[in-house]
Amino acid sequence: DGGITQSPKYLFRKEGQNVTLSCEQNLNHDAMYWYRQDPGQGLRLIYYSQIVNDFQKGDIAEGYSVSREKKESFPLTVTSAQKNPTAFYLCASRGRTNTEAFFGQGTRLTVV
Amino acid sequence: AQSVTQLGSHVSVSEGALVLLRCNYSSSVPPYLFWYVQYPNQGLQLLLKYTTGATLVKGINGFEAEFKKSETSFHLTKPSAHMSDAAEYFCAVSALRDDKIIFGKGTRLHILP
Repeated sequence: DGGITQSPKYLFRKEGQNVTLSCEQNLNHDAMYWYRQDPGQGLRLIYYSQIVNDFQKGDIAEGYSVSREKKESFPLTVTSAQKNPTAFYLCASRGRTNTEAFFGQGTRLTVV
Repeated sequence: AQSVTQLGSHVSVSEGALVLLRCNYSSSVPPYLFWYVQYPNQGLQLLLKYTTGATLVKGINGFEAEFKKSETSFHLTKPSAHMSDAAEYFCAVSALRDDKIIFGKGTRLHILP
């Protein structure tokens, strides 16, 4: 089935470690997005990419990094510089013929 | 730049009553507007969208929304609430197809028996 796959669903890491969240899509979409969700704060944009090998910072990019080497993949690395990394992370994609974004099921990251 | 304000972080309605979730947006160009629904520990699912044309938009599960340019609003309604409607709802705006999508802070809808 076509869709967006985020893995793993739950992730635990020790403080000070970098961690990479996976996002893969087989919808042939050009644009991909990473959002962070915290209770009461809605979805905040971390990074987005409109084409392979190009990406832009969103509103809360500090402490995060991304790459877009393939159209299907947009991994997000949460670095040790991110002061409060525990959150629910959502990946989305959007095609040229779509006005709306399609979302993955999310990854809940807990840093202890 | 675009922004979205959702009025009320929590809304409670009785089963069978009208659901009204409020959304106001800011955009310097004609917007694309969206309502999404999220169930616990899941991703977001599109309920409905406005791009151009008819200002009253119908979506899934009996929801609809009306784009009012003069009021910069895109409120979500459903005539009769069902227990299964309990979820979190997000309003979002985008200026162009190839642009970032900005979300509101969400409204959690509670359905009272």
